[in-house]
This record gives sequence, structure tokens and C-alpha cells, in this order.
Amino acid sequence: AQKVTQAQTEISVVEKEDVTLDCVYETRDTTYYLFWYKQPPSGELVFLIRRNSFDEQNEISGRYSWNFQKSTSSFNFTITASQVVDSAVYFCAPIPRGNTPLVFGKGTRLSVIA
Amino acid sequence: ETGVTQTPRHLVMGMTNKKSLKCEQHLGHNAMYWYKQSAKKPLELMFVYSLEERVENNSVPSRFSPECPNSSHLFLHLHTLQPEDSALYLCASSQEGLLSTDTQYFGPGTRLTVL
Repeated sequence: AQKVTQAQTEISVVEKEDVTLDCVYETRDTTYYLFWYKQPPSGELVFLIRRNSFDEQNEISGRYSWNFQKSTSSFNFTITASQVVDSAVYFCAPIPRGNTPLVFGKGTRLSVIA
Repeated sequence: ETGVTQTPRHLVMGMTNKKSLKCEQHLGHNAMYWYKQSAKKPLELMFVYSLEERVENNSVPSRFSPECPNSSHLFLHLHTLQPEDSALYLCASSQEGLLSTDTQYFGPGTRLTVL
């Protein structure tokens, strides 16, 4: 059975600090996709990144970066120089095997304090 | 309008009321989804439509009735709801449907309160 774990329920940082959100996806499948979404207080889920299991290159987009390590089943998300607008709930969500829907975990609530 | 829109953004209804939630996507996608997000629970997939045909129904109570008249519009008709149905209802769309790994794009949600 597949399982996605975001062990950090809530994180609080001071503005300009770097913060890493952890995600572990346990599966026996070799082929799958992983997504990160951001949900600000307004409620909308904002797509951040989509990554397939064969691509272990790190990805950087502005202040955001992602580190995917298949050997440890981790797909961690780092925000550099955090800002108050980064305050949100962040979800790591896999699509197992490509023929089942997105599986959402409980998310990590990030609070960035000015 | 761009992306995925939902109306109304907030809705308060009594248990005997009938109301409908509307979702519209402007992305040219073929699949649309309804999710329910209750407090302190993971997002739950309710319904999936692909090319206007329902392809997934995750054992949702019959008091929730979806309708997909075309690939751009999705409705969720509500009747005889219970207070525990109070939640954020999110609509999403993707290029292809359930049997794909396409990215889902979400609307802003409708926050529903059932009194």
C-alpha cells in the first residue's frame, strides 16, 4: 500500500529564515508522480511542482527548491528567505502508478512571522 | 476570467434547503473534479468527470448530486444536508481524466456551512 507522510504538522519561522518541509512517500511502485500544492488562507490550492519518479534532479524556482531522493522516498521542499506571504498549508500529493487520483496527506501548516 | 472559478464563495444553508455549487474552468481541460475538505481531515475526492462522463464516485451520499453539462462546467447539487457536511468544497480540472498524471488546477473553493 502507498503512504504519504508529512511529519511536520506545523512549522513557525521568522521572516528571512530558510525552511524545509518534509515529505516521504512509501511505495513499491517504481513509476509515480509527486506534486506539491500550496493552500493560503483564501483556500485555493495552488500548484507548485510536478515531478516523476525517474527524475531525481533537484529543481529550483526562485526562492523555492525541491530535493527528490528515490532511495529514501523523500521529496522535500525548501523555501529560502521566507516571507510572510509564504504562510500557508503545503501539501505533498502523489499519483500512484498513474491510474489513481491524487492522494493528499494532512499537509504542513507554515507560519512566517514578520 | 482565467483558470478555475467557483461560485458562490460562501454559502450558509439550512438542512432542508436545496442549493447548487458551480464550477467553471477556462483552461480547455477535459476532466473536472469535486473535492471536500473538512477541518483536520485530508482532502477527499468526491467525483470525477472526464469528457462529461462520471468516471469516479467515491461512495458519496446521495444528498450530493453532481452534474457536468459540458467539459467547462461542473455543478454540485445539494439537498437535505447535515451539519457534518459543512466544509470547503473545491473544484479542480486537468487536461485528461482519472487515468492520467496530468496536473490538477484548483478553484478557490466554496465554504459551505450547514445549520
